[in-house]
Amino acid sequence: GENVEQHPSTLSVQEGDSAVIKCTYSDSASNYFPWYKQELGKGPQLIIDIRSNVGEKKDQRIAVTLNKTAKHFSLHITETQPEDSAVYFCAASTGDSGGGADGLTFGKGTHLIIQP
Amino acid sequence: ETGVTQSPTHLIKTRGQQVTLRCSSQSGHNTVSWYQQALGQGPQFIFQYYREEENGRGNFPPRFSGLQFPNYSSELNVNALELDDSALYLCASSYGTRDNEQFFGPGTRLTVL
Repeated sequence: GENVEQHPSTLSVQEGDSAVIKCTYSDSASNYFPWYKQELGKGPQLIIDIRSNVGEKKDQRIAVTLNKTAKHFSLHITETQPEDSAVYFCAASTGDSGGGADGLTFGKGTHLIIQP
Repeated sequence: ETGVTQSPTHLIKTRGQQVTLRCSSQSGHNTVSWYQQALGQGPQFIFQYYREEENGRGNFPPRFSGLQFPNYSSELNVNALELDDSALYLCASSYGTRDNEQFFGPGTRLTVL
């Protein structure tokens, strides 16, 4: 099955600086890569996603890049703010090609700390 | 906030008991997926329900079972609870079964003593 590795496990950056979180996946059939933000006591919140036919996607201060050949994808947050402090998860999915869903396979998470 | 709701918020059970967790999907969504999130870990896929049928299952034993109702709400049932079942249980709703966005509820925190 799919395996997703996520690094680093903890990332501390100064407010206003950029943060980058990296993930690798093992299954070349994976075609959907979402990123979730989870705050304490809450469920994961989808912040951005990318599909395998796209190399990069941007939404205001957040961007995601995908390298299918190397099987890795990254989350970039620019101009970080205190409210960006949370745990971030990457995930990968092969979707449902007719044999049933495999669900999202998540990385172990990155605790992002924004220092004021 | 998503339109996905879960109940109860917290639950304490003892080993060997059975538990039922509930999820109401976001309006317009017909698919519900359930995940288990152990402390400090990423969520793990339990199973998915689409149009009241199980449509995929992760590496969880048969004592984890589910239901989906005509209004697309869903239940997760766990029999013969074990200590390792203590976790945050999350449901996510989406439209269809292919790689569409999944929106998570706040979760149910289950503690097994």
